[in-house]
Amino acid sequence: GGIITQTPKFLIGQEGQKLTLKCQQNFNHDTMYWYRQDSGKGLRLIYYSITENDLQKGDLSEGYDASREKKSSFSLTVTSAQKNEMAVFLCASSNRGRGNERLFFGHGTKLSVL
Amino acid sequence: QQQVRQSPQSLTVWEGETAILNCSYENSAFDYFPWYQQFPGEGPALLISILSVSNKKEDGRFTIFFNKREKKLSLHIADSQPGDSATYFCAASDTGGADRLTFGKGTQLIIQP
Repeated sequence: GGIITQTPKFLIGQEGQKLTLKCQQNFNHDTMYWYRQDSGKGLRLIYYSITENDLQKGDLSEGYDASREKKSSFSLTVTSAQKNEMAVFLCASSNRGRGNERLFFGHGTKLSVL
Repeated sequence: QQQVRQSPQSLTVWEGETAILNCSYENSAFDYFPWYQQFPGEGPALLISILSVSNKKEDGRFTIFFNKREKKLSLHIADSQPGDSATYFCAASDTGGADRLTFGKGTQLIIQP
């Protein structure tokens, strides 16, 4: 088995601040994802990466940057935090990124912006 | 445009009853439909999935019923237990095309003992 580790678990930021979320996986999966989960809105894909140094935009990429420096890690940057923003950011991985593959999720980073 | 819709948004059933969670979709090219279960403070985890070539998939107390013509599916949880209380996400993908999973907004299920 494997695990996805997201850090930090909780992140409190100020309006306009640049914030970085990190994700590590030890499944040796090729593909990694960042999703945003808002209450009542389901999961929306921000960025994904099919291999090291690859980046693909999802439906919600505006306002975010991502970086896949190595196979096991995928980071997400909120370029300018919005006042009163509150959401959970979920990292996931899958073997090759095919649509019928199982996604494995981390426990999430909960973001609050003051 | 919301491609995957779930209903109800919230559902409460008594322990031992069958909980029925509904899902519908827009894109006729979708051919893979997983359901993910999420407990508070955790990430979603795959519960059960079905391909569009089938109309039913069972795994223990969990059953998916799929109607391709109506673009609808449902998750039935038989003999529901308090430990089944969670949020359930229906998702869909077009494995021959864009390939990315599209998630519904989720159904929050509460099982009353």
